[in-house]
Amino acid sequence: NAGVTQTPKFRVLKTGQSMTLLCAQDMNHEYMYWYRQDPGMGLRLIHYSVGEGTTAKGEVPDGYNVSRLKKQNFLLGLESAAPSQTSVYFCASKDPGNQPQHFGDGTRLSIL
Amino acid sequence: SQQGEEDPQALSIQEGENATMNCSYKTSINNLQWYRQNSGRGLVHLILIRSNEREKHSGRLRVTLDTSKKSSSLLITASRAADTASYFCATDAGETSGSRLTFGEGTQLTVNP
Repeated sequence: NAGVTQTPKFRVLKTGQSMTLLCAQDMNHEYMYWYRQDPGMGLRLIHYSVGEGTTAKGEVPDGYNVSRLKKQNFLLGLESAAPSQTSVYFCASKDPGNQPQHFGDGTRLSIL
Repeated sequence: SQQGEEDPQALSIQEGENATMNCSYKTSINNLQWYRQNSGRGLVHLILIRSNEREKHSGRLRVTLDTSKKSSSLLITASRAADTASYFCATDAGETSGSRLTFGEGTQLTVNP
């Protein structure tokens, strides 16, 4: 089982460029999440989805968009990258109820 | 802002000793979870304790939850060098909020051989 797979693993962008981060899970989980982690901090929720075709804003949604067209995939988009978006991005998925989240290994994004 | 606050921010112990990490939170919760993060990796789930539970064990891990004080602790007994990692608590407010997690800032544990 691959679990939660994030692509790419590393990326360097210039300010103003756009890109999409892909998260894929093979556990048939209903819920999916995107977080960012900055140095010395815990994870902060960007956007999440409780089912195919649904998305909702998290704690720090500005500058990001998401889509959940297929149950197994959750895409995070940066329309116009800014240096403040330099971070490590984590995707997670889970079943409903008192269940843990399963995390990918992260995407390290640097914006110059 | 982070709901959880973890204490201490960093902990250095010798192999074989016990490690205790504490977490406080501010709002009502459905459950509280602890995760481990090795350097450069994603988070790995350790243990989940529901709001109506007071203590839970898993191998060398013991978690307590005091909802009246809005606090939790994670005890790792007989620590090993391989336990060196960052440990995070996270609170889940329940299905009405999409089971979203709010994380603390973490405790960096170093276990010296």
